[in-house]
Amino acid sequence: DGGITQSPKYLFRKEGQNVTLSCEQNLNHDAMYWYRQDPGQGLRLIYYSQIVNDFQKGDIAEGYSVSREKKESFPLTVTSAQKNPTAFYLCASSIAANPGTNYGYTFGSGTRLTVV
Amino acid sequence: AQSVTQLGSHVSVSEGALVLLRCNYSSSVPPYLFWYVQYPNQGLQLLLKYTSAATLVKGINGFEAEFKKSETSFHLTKPSAHMSDAAEYFCAVSDLKDNQGGKLIFGQGTELSVKP
Repeated sequence: DGGITQSPKYLFRKEGQNVTLSCEQNLNHDAMYWYRQDPGQGLRLIYYSQIVNDFQKGDIAEGYSVSREKKESFPLTVTSAQKNPTAFYLCASSIAANPGTNYGYTFGSGTRLTVV
Repeated sequence: AQSVTQLGSHVSVSEGALVLLRCNYSSSVPPYLFWYVQYPNQGLQLLLKYTSAATLVKGINGFEAEFKKSETSFHLTKPSAHMSDAAEYFCAVSDLKDNQGGKLIFGQGTELSVKP
């Protein structure tokens, strides 16, 4: 079955450490996205990529970095510069469509990151 | 700027009662519209989507939504709430500024509680 896999499900980080969250999809989707979710704040876009080797900052990119070396993979690194990284992180993918069309997202099951 | 507004961050209904979750969008042209559901510690799952084929859209789990252009609304309804419907619900709209297609703008979410 095609899908999008995030790992690990739970991750603990010490202050000052970088950590990388994995996101892999086998849906042959062109576009991939990273969102951060905090209680009462909905989904906030961190980074997105609509083609291999290209990505754009979202609304809250500071303290995060990404790469898109393969179509299937879009890892997110939470750097030590991110002052409040404890949150639920969601990865999503979509078919890149022509402007004015949209097929919606498929989401992964999320990674909960906690700073200890 | 384009936006999505979900009225009410928390909605509580009794089991068997009507569920009504409100979503209004701002857009100069009819967009693509989506409703997603999120259960605790999970990713988002697509409930239904509007893509201009029909104004009344039926989704999974007995939910439906009606697109009303004159009211710029896409409210989600279910005639009879079930305990298993307790979750957070997100309305989303296609981002018309996205030149490559695919990107969504999400509302803040509405948490639905169902009382026995």
